[in-house]
Amino acid sequence: EPEVTQTPSHQVTQMGQEVILRCVPISNHLYFYWYRQILGQKVEFLVSFYNNEISEKSEIFDDQFSVERPDGSNFTLKIRSTKLEDSAMYFCASAPQSGGMGGYTFGSGTRLTVV
Amino acid sequence: GESVGLHLPTLSVQEGDNSIINCAYSNSASDYFIWYKQESGKGPQFIIDIRSNMDKRQGQRVTVLLNKTVKHLSLQIAATQPGDSAVYFCAVFSGNTPLVFGKGTRLSVIA
Repeated sequence: EPEVTQTPSHQVTQMGQEVILRCVPISNHLYFYWYRQILGQKVEFLVSFYNNEISEKSEIFDDQFSVERPDGSNFTLKIRSTKLEDSAMYFCASAPQSGGMGGYTFGSGTRLTVV
Repeated sequence: GESVGLHLPTLSVQEGDNSIINCAYSNSASDYFIWYKQESGKGPQFIIDIRSNMDKRQGQRVTVLLNKTVKHLSLQIAATQPGDSAVYFCAVFSGNTPLVFGKGTRLSVIA
């Protein structure tokens, strides 16, 4: 069964450093998403991406965040200057269409720890 | 905006019993609903979905019930097994807006 692949599975970084989280969505999917989950809390929407541009973003997704699809297969989330409160699980998801019939397929996540 | 909540943060059931996990949503325009299962260290995994033009949908050992009048959604798991232990999230679509997740219920199955 097709799956969304995320790397690395765990990233530890110092406060103020830049991190790039990587995702390979399902190949025939057109819509891409990043969500995050702070430990013990719910999964929160960060950003959606379609046709090489951001289609929607949440209040969490401030100027420190950016997304990119550099080569037509990878989908990356960059945090420019990490803060302690950025520590969370970050999930990438993809979908064949918006409005979600069948929902999104999520990756296994990257656990980001900012120290 | 949409807010999605769950009635109970934890639920413990005996193996073999039925489990019922509840969810409330706020936006009456919500039109598509999904239950996800999240096991430790993994991403959310699709279980079952239902559109707003239905009030019940059944899968293998799982049933989703939708009550649009009171904006309530439930997931029923029949003959709960140890492998069902996980956190369960309801998630809601309203039109083409991104999926909004509820807070999650941790289901623990007692052998």
